[in-house]
This record gives sequence, C-alpha cells and structure tokens, in this order.
Amino acid sequence: QVQLVQSGAELKKPGASVRVSCKASGYTFITAYVHWVRQAPGQGLEWMGRFSPRSGGTNYTQKYQGRITMTRDTSSDTAYMELTGLTSDDTAMYFCARGFSGYGRYDVWGQGTLVSVSS
Amino acid sequence: DIQMTQSPSTLSASVGDRVTITCRASQNINSFLAWYQHKPGKAPKLLIYMASSLQTGVPSRFSGSESGTEFTLAISSLQADDFATYYCQQYTSFPPTFGQGTRVDLK
Repeated sequence: QVQLVQSGAELKKPGASVRVSCKASGYTFITAYVHWVRQAPGQGLEWMGRFSPRSGGTNYTQKYQGRITMTRDTSSDTAYMELTGLTSDDTAMYFCARGFSGYGRYDVWGQGTLVSVSS
Repeated sequence: DIQMTQSPSTLSASVGDRVTITCRASQNINSFLAWYQHKPGKAPKLLIYMASSLQTGVPSRFSGSESGTEFTLAISSLQADDFATYYCQQYTSFPPTFGQGTRVDLK
C-alpha cells in the first residue's frame, strides 16, 4: 500500500544538525511533492517547505530559509529534510506528507519523527 | 501570508451530536481549503479538500462547505473515533497556512 516511513527519534544538542528521512513506497516517487510539516509541543501544525522529487526543486517558508535543506535519493525513493543550527525551539514532531496539488491536499503522511533538542 | 482563523478553539460534545467548526481566511483562497483530523501520536488525516470534496475512505458524516472566505467542517453525528483536533489549511498560495486547530472533546 501507499506509505511514507520516517526515520526514528533523534536527540540533539543545541547548535547541531538533524536529518530526517522519509521513504516512499506503493507509488511512483517522482510523481508527487514531499512536504514537511512540524508540530511543536502544545502547538499546531506548521508547514516548513516542499520538495519535488522529479526536479529536485524546493520551496521553503521564510522562517527556515538558510537552515533547511530538502533532498532526495531516487534510487531508494527517499526524501530527506535537514535542519541546522538547532535550538530548543526546534523540539517538535516532524512529518513528511505527499501532495499532488500544488501546496496542499496531503493524502498520505509519514508516522512522524520526534526531534528533541536539549543540552 | 494568508491567515486562517478557526473557531472555536475547543468544542465539547457528546456522541451523536452534530458539530461544526469554522475557518475564516484573511483573503480569497479560491476554494483551496483542506481539513485534517489529528490525534495524539498519530499522523494527521486528510478529510476534505477543495473545501467540500470528501477524501476517499472518509465517512460520509464529514462534510465541508464554504461561503466566501468562511469555511465549515460539519460532523453530522459525532462518533467515539472523532474526538481529535481538526485543522483547516489553505493551499491557494505560498506559503500554505494552517488554522490554529479545534480540539473536539467529550462533554
């Protein structure tokens, strides 16, 4: 079946970087965008950016410009999201999601990856 | 950025109740509005897209409607599985933005 499977929880120190993976299966990887959405503790959903596995193109929200990089490995149908310069404010659950239609309508989601930032 | 304002923030209801959640956009979003259900520890689930189209596999007790820049999610008869937080999202333009969420809990 169609699914996105994310990498496991991460514990990082302030200033470090984290890379979260999102492996797609059950559909043709390059036909849909991969979006990244995060949820900080007690907060709502926040869109971070999207990645086109077909072209490698990215769109990042301004908040993360300069700190975020989205990439892919087409040989393994895996998307990656790297966030640098971590602070405690980056402690959150990070989700990848599939979207065909521009910037929304995410019909399949990964299970989430908890990233904790603490000294 | 387009602001999405949801109301109420919390809604207490009983099984069998009809519930409605409202989302107001700060400008025209051309029906590019989705609703998601989110439960703790789970991935969000797409319920409605294009303001009123029911996602495949979603029960028909869920429906969406629009009037100008105001959008409504309705659950015709609340079931035990429906207690969750609901988010609207506009995706007409960059960046897509979510409402702050509406938590539906047991009265």
